[in-house]
Amino acid sequence: SAVISQKPSRDICQRGTSLTIQCQVDSQVTMMFWYRQQPGQSLTLIATANQGSEATYESGFVIDKFPISRPNLTFSTLTVSNMSPEDSSIYLCSVGVAGGRETQYFGPGTRLLVL
Amino acid sequence: GESVGLHLPTLSVQEGDNSIINCAYSNSASDYFIWYKQESGKGPQFIIDIRSNMDKRQGQRVTVLLNKTVKHLSLQIAATQPGDSAVYFCAENGGGTSYGKLTFGQGTILTVHP
Repeated sequence: SAVISQKPSRDICQRGTSLTIQCQVDSQVTMMFWYRQQPGQSLTLIATANQGSEATYESGFVIDKFPISRPNLTFSTLTVSNMSPEDSSIYLCSVGVAGGRETQYFGPGTRLLVL
Repeated sequence: GESVGLHLPTLSVQEGDNSIINCAYSNSASDYFIWYKQESGKGPQFIIDIRSNMDKRQGQRVTVLLNKTVKHLSLQIAATQPGDSAVYFCAENGGGTSYGKLTFGQGTILTVHP
């Protein structure tokens, strides 16, 4: 499995501001994903971060709100833009294990509170 | 659309008992399933997986059973310990155009009493 870190681990932000979350992996991976986990709920996929091309967003998520970068095979960022209290969630990145398996390993998450 | 759901949102057991966590899925095209454990303040941790061409897979103290006929998945934990207390999620990979994407179930809170 890969070792995944996220920064920041938590933050408290004011509405209307933006926060960029970083995800770093200790090995090169093809597939990286961003999820949202609202309080007391399950995980929902936001987008697939593709290296060298634009991210692929799931229904209900748009690039203007959640811009994603994937500059190389070990790093990705997710920005939560123009935040509102409804954006208070845990944001998680995951990586797909190389070699054709679909298993995903998760980072520790970023806990965001928007006031 | 596709969905993955759980029958029981909470499960309380005594230390040493066996635990069974259930999951129903609706996408018959799903070909890969994973169970995750999420402890408070942490990201989901991989426990065990199973492919659709299997009906049972065993790990250390855990067994996953897959019944494709009724689209049901279960996680069995033997000799449950207090350290097993967490939220457990099943996840499915839909295959085809959904390759690589996981759809998560609601989650079951497992509480193990000493």
